[in-house]
Formats: sequence, structure tokens, C-alpha cells
Amino acid sequence: NAGVTQTPKFQVLKTGQSMTLQCAQDMNHNSMYWYRQDPGMGLRLIYYSASEGTTDKGEVPNGYNVSRLNKREFSLRLESAAPSQTSVYFCASRDRAATEAFFGQGTRLTVV
Amino acid sequence: GNSVTQMEGPVTLSEEAFLTINCTYTATGYPSLFWYVQYPGEGLQLLLKATKADDKGSNKGFEATYRKETTSFHLEKGSVQVSDSAVYFCALTGGGNKLTFGTGTQLKVEL
Repeated sequence: NAGVTQTPKFQVLKTGQSMTLQCAQDMNHNSMYWYRQDPGMGLRLIYYSASEGTTDKGEVPNGYNVSRLNKREFSLRLESAAPSQTSVYFCASRDRAATEAFFGQGTRLTVV
Repeated sequence: GNSVTQMEGPVTLSEEAFLTINCTYTATGYPSLFWYVQYPGEGLQLLLKATKADDKGSNKGFEATYRKETTSFHLEKGSVQVSDSAVYFCALTGGGNKLTFGTGTQLKVEL
């Protein structure tokens, strides 16, 4: 029962470095999401993919790119990390709009 | 666009007290509404949901009713326990399968 798996769990980057956060789900879900969670801000949607082959911007897409590699995998890339991107990042997936979303355990990213 | 507004936290209650966490929303059409819970150090998990007006979602003693006339989905529990201490998020899905969350409300339950 893996569900949604995110890697890595923790990461420290220097300003300007790049990295990719990986997310994979084994539930054959159509839709996948990337959120960031900051104190007092709740969860803000960065990008989402309603189905394989499509991606759309959320509320805070600047500084990020995504790839829906296949139905299972949805990666988030920071091309040039900034301290403002220090956050906890969550990946989620679900089948259809009215159904439950399943979340990964999160990636705690610090940019120094 | 769609949005969700939750009451500010933290909410601190004594065990066995009555809980209400307010949630109102703005959306076009007929969104589905959700409450998620996040325990420390973990991801979010679904607590309950309602997919049409007047539906009541319930789970683990928590309830919420989808009120289209007041655009609300308030979370209630009759008697909270220490183990209910967590952050609670109201969320909705509108068109396009986008899932939008509120800012979350931290609940602390004390003995």
C-alpha cells in the first residue's frame, strides 16, 4: 500500500541551485497536484495535471516547472532556487473531481 | 476564481467540548466540498466530504453540511478528544479538477 511516494523527504539547497522533486502514485489516478505549505498560508497550488499529458498552472507557479512523465509520475523542478521557495511541498493524486485526494508525506525544502 | 475562507486559529478547547470550525466558499457552479485533517509531521488525509447541496458528510464523530444558500461547510463535533488535535483544512473542487484549500485551522484539545 504505497499510495503517493515523494522523494526526497528533506533537502537543503543553496540559492541558484536546481533540483527536481519526484512524486509517484500507484493507484492509477488520473489527476496529480503539487502544493506548497507555508505557515499561515495553508496549501497553495503550484501546478496540477488533470490527466496524463496535460498540466496547468495553479496559484503560485512562478519559479517552478512540472512534468507529467506518465500516468504514475509527476515531477516538480526548481530551476534556480530562491530562499522564498523554502517550504514544505506536498504531492497529491486522485481519480476524479468529487473523489478523495491522497497525499504524500511531504518534502521539507530549505534554500539558504 | 474559486476560494475558501476558514476561521483563524489556533482554536483551544477542553476535552469533551463542542467544536465548530467555520468554512465559507466562493465558486461557480456546484463544487464538491471536503474537510481534510493533518496530524503533526504528516500529509493531509480526508476527513469527510459532500458533493451536492444539503448533503451531510460525517466521519469519526465529525459532521459538516453543504449549505448552498449560505455557501458554507462548517465542521462540527459534539465532544472533542485530545487525539483530535491537528490542523483542519476546508477544500473544494470546482471546474477543471482544481482542488483549492483554505488556510487551515489549528485545533488544540487540552485535558
